[in-house]
Amino acid sequence: DQQVKQNSPSLSVQEGRISILNCDYTNSMFDYFLWYKKYPAEGPTFLISISSIKDKNEDGRFTVFLNKSAKHLSLHIVPSQPGDSAVYFCAASASPGGTSYGKLTFGQGTILTVHP
Amino acid sequence: DAGITQSPRHKVTETGTPVTLRCHQTENHRYMYWYRQDPGHGLRLIHYSYGVKDTDKGEVSDGYSVSRSKTEDFLLTLESATSSQTSVYFCAITSRNKASTDTQYFGPGTRLTVL
Repeated sequence: DQQVKQNSPSLSVQEGRISILNCDYTNSMFDYFLWYKKYPAEGPTFLISISSIKDKNEDGRFTVFLNKSAKHLSLHIVPSQPGDSAVYFCAASASPGGTSYGKLTFGQGTILTVHP
Repeated sequence: DAGITQSPRHKVTETGTPVTLRCHQTENHRYMYWYRQDPGHGLRLIHYSYGVKDTDKGEVSDGYSVSRSKTEDFLLTLESATSSQTSVYFCAITSRNKASTDTQYFGPGTRLTVL
């Protein structure tokens, strides 16, 4: 049972345009969501997170939107750059501290390619 | 940089042999995790630790054991490696991000091949 799903295995965009990566979840106990970027032969790198008490969080070119009723989150990258080409994972946690010990459930990943 | 190192970075072993992967951190983080990454599955939690000698299972713990005898080291052991354990293994710690929220940060990974 995949509790976090990224239904698009890949996405291709032109440099300067917007990249939108999507993620759906099924577990209503999830209340903290994160996006990671991963280059080949490296560990995942934290990008941005959002708590369930918010519906939007921005950090520079990256914005994460959360729609709790639809159990859906998305990552917007504007403008996209060739260096953004990587695999992007969404992840979810139930209560980042406390008894869940911060355990993360990941989606399958989306390969983003940004063409010059 | 969360000060995480993993060793070895690459390993090739044969079915049935024991294998131990090491995760080392230098910043006294309490929580540590082991994940495996496989195509089509993203990252899946194997085991985690919430303190010295305090560990628990994740979603894919069968065939793996862990130990944490000191804060800085979290060891993952495959008692008898199988080909299905060929994967890339990542260690992670929990630390505060710039928004003062707990976030997991990952090590560089160990690529394990079981022949």
